[in-house]
Amino acid sequence: DGGITQSPKYLFRKEGQNVTLSCEQNLNHDAMYWYRQDPGQGLRLIYYSQIVNDFQKGDIAEGYSVSREKKESFPLTVTSAQKNPTAFYLCASTPRRDRGPAEAFFGQGTRLTVV
Amino acid sequence: RKEVEQDPGPFNVPEGATVAFNCTYSNSASQSFFWYRQDCRKEPKLLMSVYSSGNEDGRFTAQLNRASQYISLLIRDSKLSDSATYLCVVIGNTGFQKLVFGTGTRLLVSP
Repeated sequence: DGGITQSPKYLFRKEGQNVTLSCEQNLNHDAMYWYRQDPGQGLRLIYYSQIVNDFQKGDIAEGYSVSREKKESFPLTVTSAQKNPTAFYLCASTPRRDRGPAEAFFGQGTRLTVV
Repeated sequence: RKEVEQDPGPFNVPEGATVAFNCTYSNSASQSFFWYRQDCRKEPKLLMSVYSSGNEDGRFTAQLNRASQYISLLIRDSKLSDSATYLCVVIGNTGFQKLVFGTGTRLLVSP
């Protein structure tokens, strides 16, 4: 079955360390997104990518970096520059408008805790 | 003004009640609209798409009002299992389908 997979589900990081969250989809979707969600808050866009080798900053990109070397993969690196990285991170994907309905599919999320 | 706005709630209702949420959007060119449900500590899941003509799925009815730029979700005969956060999602009309989320409305259904 097609879907979107995030790993790991839980991640612990020491202060000052970089950490990379994985997001893989086999839906043949063109667009992929990373969101951050804090307790009791909505989803805030970190980065998004429309096509391979191209990505744009979202609303809260500082302290994060991404790459899109393959259509299926959109990893997110949380760098030591991110002041408050403890949060729930969600990856999503959508097809290009002319390739199907706009429904977004989500991974199960990664809960990052800085210790 | 935020691109998509929702009342965060919480809406506290008894079982069997009817409850309605609204979501306003600022981009008049927006093309696609959805309601997602998010349970605590889980990923959002699609509840229903919102069509211009309105659509119904069992106890749930979604409507779109383009003139006033809002979408609504009506839940009839609320169940305890309906307790969750309901997210409004709006997508633009460019080739790139950028998702814009509302902050969500929390619903608590009590016995």
